[in-house]
Amino acid sequence: DAGVIQSPRHEVTEMGQEVTLRCKPISGHNSLFWYRQTMMRGLELLIYFNNNVPIDDSGMPEDRFSAKMPNASFSTLKIQPSEPRDSAVYFCASSHKGLAYNEQFFGPGTRLTVL
Amino acid sequence: GIQVEQSPPDLILQEGANSTLRCNFSDSVNNLQWFHQNPWGQLINLFYIPSGTKQNGRLSATTVATERYSLLYISSSQTTDSGVYFCAVNGGEYGNKLVFGAGTILRVKS
Repeated sequence: DAGVIQSPRHEVTEMGQEVTLRCKPISGHNSLFWYRQTMMRGLELLIYFNNNVPIDDSGMPEDRFSAKMPNASFSTLKIQPSEPRDSAVYFCASSHKGLAYNEQFFGPGTRLTVL
Repeated sequence: GIQVEQSPPDLILQEGANSTLRCNFSDSVNNLQWFHQNPWGQLINLFYIPSGTKQNGRLSATTVATERYSLLYISSSQTTDSGVYFCAVNGGEYGNKLVFGAGTILRVKS
């Protein structure tokens, strides 16, 4: 079975440019999460969706960040305009939300560098 | 919010040695996971273990939910075990999100 798929794997862009990160969750999973990993803050949740609906976006740092999930098999995280402090590894994860079984599985991540 | 503390922060082992990593959390949890982040940055699921004991090869984990801690045991360590080990939890009050500890950096020397 395919795991969580993310693209691109690496992105280098200049300050002010728009960046779009993409994620395809594991088939059959109905929860999707976007996390960010930095040296200073470690791994932290940005936003998560249940059944394509955003549930908790309290981790989204500011209005420059937005996330969408137009269907069960695709999500995007957009940064516009990007800034050097956005440089980080962005992970997407998915799980099947049920009574007890909600183990999260992570994609390979997108390493973003904003110059 | 819930706090997650991992110890030790870093560890150097000789190949073949055993080790125990600890994760303390500040509130009751519905989910606890252990991950290994390899040198290429991938987060690999090791255990989903909100309570009880599980074993997978040379690795095993125990969570004592009533005392709010979990232990990850690595036996007969290999150089491929090197990387960062994360404990992550979520509790019902905090929704479905995982809160990560700072990790334990493990280096296994040959």
